[in-house]
Amino acid sequence: DAGVTQSPTHLIKTRGQQVTLRCSPISGHKSVSWYQQVLGQGPQFIFQYYEKEERGRGNFPDRFSARQFPNYSSELNVNALLLGDSALYLCASSLGRHLDEQYFGPGTRLTVT
Amino acid sequence: KNQVEQSPQSLIILEGKNCTLQCNYTVSPFSNLRWYKQDTGRGPVSLTIMTFSENTKSNGRYTATLDADTKQSSLHITASQLSDSASYICVVSVVGTYKYIFGTGTRLKVLA
Repeated sequence: DAGVTQSPTHLIKTRGQQVTLRCSPISGHKSVSWYQQVLGQGPQFIFQYYEKEERGRGNFPDRFSARQFPNYSSELNVNALLLGDSALYLCASSLGRHLDEQYFGPGTRLTVT
Repeated sequence: KNQVEQSPQSLIILEGKNCTLQCNYTVSPFSNLRWYKQDTGRGPVSLTIMTFSENTKSNGRYTATLDADTKQSSLHITASQLSDSASYICVVSVVGTYKYIFGTGTRLKVLA
């Protein structure tokens, strides 16, 4: 069975542009979470979606938004990109219960120039 | 403020040796604590999950301990292998939320 997949693998954007990152969860998983990991630091929680509803949000500006589709895949959108948005964006999926294992994808490396 | 601090920041050990990584948290109210292993450029992989009522949990050569009173956890690696070279991240979640607070990790390098 396929693991969590993310696309694209790498992305280069310029300041002020908008970007959309995609995530497909493990089959049967209904929850998707998004994280930002700046080089040398631990991941920072951005959003969690469950059954297409936002269930948790970290301390990120409104430039960051996400949604989950009926097939449980998810998109993360970032508007008005800043240099500081350069990071590895990780997606994790789980069955959705509080103590369930989270399975991470390989991430999308975003570089903002 | 909910925070997770890990020590040391980095560690170098010889293959076959044991090591212990530390995690202190100020998250309240505490729900559960997880340890992850992250290879460079890849997503984290779960090692253990513990609730406040659990003191210890093992996964092969990895043993995690939790003291909910002092808000401390440790990850002990036995008989280290070259493949253990990675970052080890402690993650704590808050009761009633689906918010996960990550530590900055400990970078472990195992030398032959």
